Amino acid sequence: KAGVTQTPRYLIKTRGQQVTLSCSPISGHRSVSWYQQTPGQGLQFLFEYFSETQRNKGNFPGRFSGRQFSNSRSEMNVSTLELGDSALYLCASSLPSGGGPEQFFGPGTRLTVL
Amino acid sequence: ILNVEQSPQSLHVQEGDSTNFTCSFPSSNFYALHWYRWETAKSPEALFVMTLNGDEKKKGRISATLNTKEGYSYLYIKGSQPEDSATYLCARLVPNTGNQFYFGTGTSLTVIP
Repeated sequence: KAGVTQTPRYLIKTRGQQVTLSCSPISGHRSVSWYQQTPGQGLQFLFEYFSETQRNKGNFPGRFSGRQFSNSRSEMNVSTLELGDSALYLCASSLPSGGGPEQFFGPGTRLTVL
Repeated sequence: ILNVEQSPQSLHVQEGDSTNFTCSFPSSNFYALHWYRWETAKSPEALFVMTLNGDEKKKGRISATLNTKEGYSYLYIKGSQPEDSATYLCARLVPNTGNQFYFGTGTSLTVIP
């Protein structure tokens, strides 16, 4: 079974621009979560999508948004980029079961904002 | 209230040593705790999903225990090998959400051959 894929793997943008990152979950997984990791910080939860609906949102400004398509693929968008948005962005997919099922992570997108 | 803390931040051990690290979390309203291993240049990989007080899980030389009443989990590695070198993360599932997790900052383990 193919794992979680993320594109692009690396991205360089300048302040003020916007960016869209993509995540393709494992086949059959309907939940997709996004995380941000910056140096010295743990993985910070951005949001989770399930069946095309945002189910949860972390404590991030409205510049961070996302969506999920009918095939469970998800995108996240960051508008008006700031230097502090430079980070590794990970997505994770899981089966739709209760009890906090195991998360399967993608390789991440490394975003650098200049 | 929702913070997950891990200690130590980093650890260097000799090959063959056994080691353990700690994940602390709020004891109230517990739902589930996950452990992940994150090797450099790879994706985080799930080790254990723990849900019940007193849970003990084992995978090869790695095991974990859970105490929800006092709010901690231990991860043990017996006879550390260089391939165990990685960052070990724990994550607490927020109750009454789908899959919203709070992650600790991890323990970075280096096993010296």
